[in-house]
Amino acid sequence: DQQVKQNSPSLSVQEGRISILNCDYTNSMFDYFLWYKKYPAEGPTFLISISSIKDKNEDGRFTVFLNKSAKHLSLHIVPSQPGDSAVYFCAASSTSLEYGNKLVFGAGTILRVKS
Amino acid sequence: DGGITQSPKYLFRKEGQNVTLSCEQNLNHDAMYWYRQDPGQGLRLIYYSQIVNDFQKGDIAEGYSVSREKKESFPLTVTSAQKNPTAFYLCASSYRGGQPQHFGDGTRLSIL
Repeated sequence: DQQVKQNSPSLSVQEGRISILNCDYTNSMFDYFLWYKKYPAEGPTFLISISSIKDKNEDGRFTVFLNKSAKHLSLHIVPSQPGDSAVYFCAASSTSLEYGNKLVFGAGTILRVKS
Repeated sequence: DGGITQSPKYLFRKEGQNVTLSCEQNLNHDAMYWYRQDPGQGLRLIYYSQIVNDFQKGDIAEGYSVSREKKESFPLTVTSAQKNPTAFYLCASSYRGGQPQHFGDGTRLSIL
């Protein structure tokens, strides 16, 4: 049972436009969410995170939105640049002690930014 | 520079052999993790350790073993009991109870 789902395997966007990557989760225990960026043959790099006490977090060109009632989060990249082309993973965790700080990952979305 | 070092980058194993993947970190993190990535799938947790001399099974621990004798090191052994070991293996670390996890650059394991 997939607890974190990224339903779009790929997304293609023109340089300078907005990229929107979506993620849904099912486990109500999740209260902390992260986005990672991954290039081929490299490890994921942390991008941005959000706690369930907030509904928005911004860091430069990257903004993450959280809709707890819908169990949905999205990553907005504005403006998109060719260097943003990578696989983006959504991950979820619970801050409860018994959960052990584990991360549950979605399957990833391949973003291609065309110049 | 602080970081996580995984070695080797590519590893080949014959059928029936055990193989050990190395993971070392100098970030002074208490917690370390091993994930496996298969094509078209997200990362799946194999084992994790919150503190030295203690570790727990993740979602797909069968056929794997770990040890945590030092804070800096968390080696993963892929045993002959793992039926489908070909994958990209990623090691991560974090402060205990904290996020984000920081990742190494992975080891790609292939069966000859």
